[in-house]
Amino acid sequence: AQSVTQLDSQVPVFEEAPVELRCNYSSSVSVYLFWYVQYPNQGLQLLLKYLSGSTLVKGINGFEAEFNKSQTSFHLRKPSVHISDTAEYFCAVFSGGYQKVTFGTGTKLQVIP
Amino acid sequence: EPEVTQTPSHQVTQMGQEVILRCVPISNHLYFYWYRQILGQKVEFLVSFYNNEISEKSEIFDDQFSVERPDGSNFTLKIRSTKLEDSAMYFCASSAAVTYEQYFGPGTRLTVT
Repeated sequence: AQSVTQLDSQVPVFEEAPVELRCNYSSSVSVYLFWYVQYPNQGLQLLLKYLSGSTLVKGINGFEAEFNKSQTSFHLRKPSVHISDTAEYFCAVFSGGYQKVTFGTGTKLQVIP
Repeated sequence: EPEVTQTPSHQVTQMGQEVILRCVPISNHLYFYWYRQILGQKVEFLVSFYNNEISEKSEIFDDQFSVERPDGSNFTLKIRSTKLEDSAMYFCASSAAVTYEQYFGPGTRLTVT
């Protein structure tokens, strides 16, 4: 089976401060990993993805994530957040053997002015 | 860049009514999926579809649900007799192959009253 754990349901952070949103996964086969952002009442927007290659992945809006196979983690980081980053962030894992993307429970990022 | 589209963006229906949600996957993709997200919860897999057959489904996808690819471009999700608890955002996704990443549509918000 594959699963995703996002331990932090809410993360408040001051504007221009750095942030890290944590994600751990489990899967018995090789995986693809994703971070999606969801603004209120909107759909899912892909922030970044890890398919293979370099373990440091850069995405849109200044976000990046690092794939760590030994720790089965894929934490999302941004060095300086803006008010507009306030949204919910979902980590997701896909492995071909299961034919489906499994999402974490989401982390609400609240940027405080 | 090609994208998955979904119509309508918002559907309101009365309990017990049938509803059909429509999706147009990316044109050269062969695998199609439906997910749903109940308000405030995580995104959950419903069903995957390939070669005009369901290839995997979750326990949520009971006899009230069905999927169809009625022509070469559309992929539909039908709920025969809607219940209040079917109110959710429904996302369609498609992929070129089962081991490839899935591309998500913007979602249809279904409200059952």
